[in-house]
Amino acid sequence: GQQLNQSPQSMFIQEGEDVSMNCTSSSIFNTWLWYKQDPGEGPVLLIALYKAGELTSNGRLTAQFGITRKDSFLNISASIPSDVGIYFCAGQTGNNNDMRFGAGTRLTVKP
Amino acid sequence: DAGVIQSPRHEVTEMGQEVTLRCKPISGHDYLFWYRQTMMRGLELLIYFNNNVPIDDSGMPEDRFSAKMPNASFSTLKIQPSEPRDSAVYFCASTPGAYGIYNEQFFGPGTRLTVL
Repeated sequence: GQQLNQSPQSMFIQEGEDVSMNCTSSSIFNTWLWYKQDPGEGPVLLIALYKAGELTSNGRLTAQFGITRKDSFLNISASIPSDVGIYFCAGQTGNNNDMRFGAGTRLTVKP
Repeated sequence: DAGVIQSPRHEVTEMGQEVTLRCKPISGHDYLFWYRQTMMRGLELLIYFNNNVPIDDSGMPEDRFSAKMPNASFSTLKIQPSEPRDSAVYFCASTPGAYGIYNEQFFGPGTRLTVL
């Protein structure tokens, strides 16, 4: 089945720095989603992307749906301590609503 | 709204026992999903329902797993008999489905299952 490769696995950054993470796949997806998960909680949807080339922002977060439909990135600008958590990408095919998650990027922000 | 409610939050059981996880979706949401999260395999979609009807159960690992949604406000995921490899965090999620079934998807807090 389709596999999503998410990188990096973890990041340690200083407060105020920008962050970038991405997901790639060997298969085409119709939808890309980015989630954040805090410890002991379920994932929370941050951004949903539905069209190739689409660039969407949500506050300090920006995500893009790659033109090839096989990749997506998430940027966080001016990181703050509450950005700490695990960020997941997810890709969905259209035909059968199959959805796959990346392994996650664990973000640590040092004050 | 209280959000998606799951119970119990933690479950510890012995191998061979039956386990039942419960979920109450957000009122008015037509889609309900069950996920499993482990360190090894990450987040996996097990099954989802639309208007109480199971649509895709291809992610259910084996016959020991079963899920039901008897009404719009309640779903169960049952494992019988349970095995240590079933230890994971199980999430329930729901969405209204108006803008694509995964948009506006809300996850519950999860049930951490440990099978000894």
